[in-house]
Amino acid sequence: TQLLEQSPQFLSIQEGENLTVYCNSSSVFSSLQWYRQEPGEGPVLLVTVVTGGEVKKLKRLTFQFGDARKDSSLHITAAQPGDTGLYLCAGETGSARQLTFGSGTQLTVLP
Amino acid sequence: NAGVTQTPKFQVLKTGQSMTLQCAQDMNHEYMSWYRQDPGMGLRLIHYSVGAGITDQGEVPNGYNVSRSTTEDFPLRLLSAAPSQTSVYFCASSYSRQGAYEQYFGPGTRLTVT
Repeated sequence: TQLLEQSPQFLSIQEGENLTVYCNSSSVFSSLQWYRQEPGEGPVLLVTVVTGGEVKKLKRLTFQFGDARKDSSLHITAAQPGDTGLYLCAGETGSARQLTFGSGTQLTVLP
Repeated sequence: NAGVTQTPKFQVLKTGQSMTLQCAQDMNHEYMSWYRQDPGMGLRLIHYSVGAGITDQGEVPNGYNVSRSTTEDFPLRLLSAAPSQTSVYFCASSYSRQGAYEQYFGPGTRLTVT
């Protein structure tokens, strides 16, 4: 079973601060996906990275896939209260393209 | 499109009871999955299907059955509910895009087993 370790588990910051969430594994993934989940709802896909070293930007969010395709990071610049939520990374592997999820980072951005 | 729909949204069962969680998607996705989400453990794959008539086990399949008779529907059956199955259950469908299978999740079913 592939294991994805996500850190930190909880993060509480003030509006305007920057933050980085990490997702690490000893396994190689064919893709790495980041989801955001609001209370009482299902996760919603933010981005998919498939190439080692790939960097994708989504407004104030920057996602990076490690060169060896074993790790990823999510950086948020100038966080806003609307960024509050549970951020989940998920690695895709196997012939059936199964997803293995990290345990999540609960982000709270205080106004 | 309604996307992925799940019913019921909430359910309380007594130990030993059986029930079926319903999941349907209208996006014509071949791949569907069931996950459970427990505090501090992220989402864990229960069962998945790569197409109608084809299902396989995920990480935590014990106590659950699935079938896939149509592309649209993928029900999850709890055979004899146990307190350890108290969780939030998510159904997802996916398709291949840019070299990866991106998942679309339903709103979830919150199940409590007493």
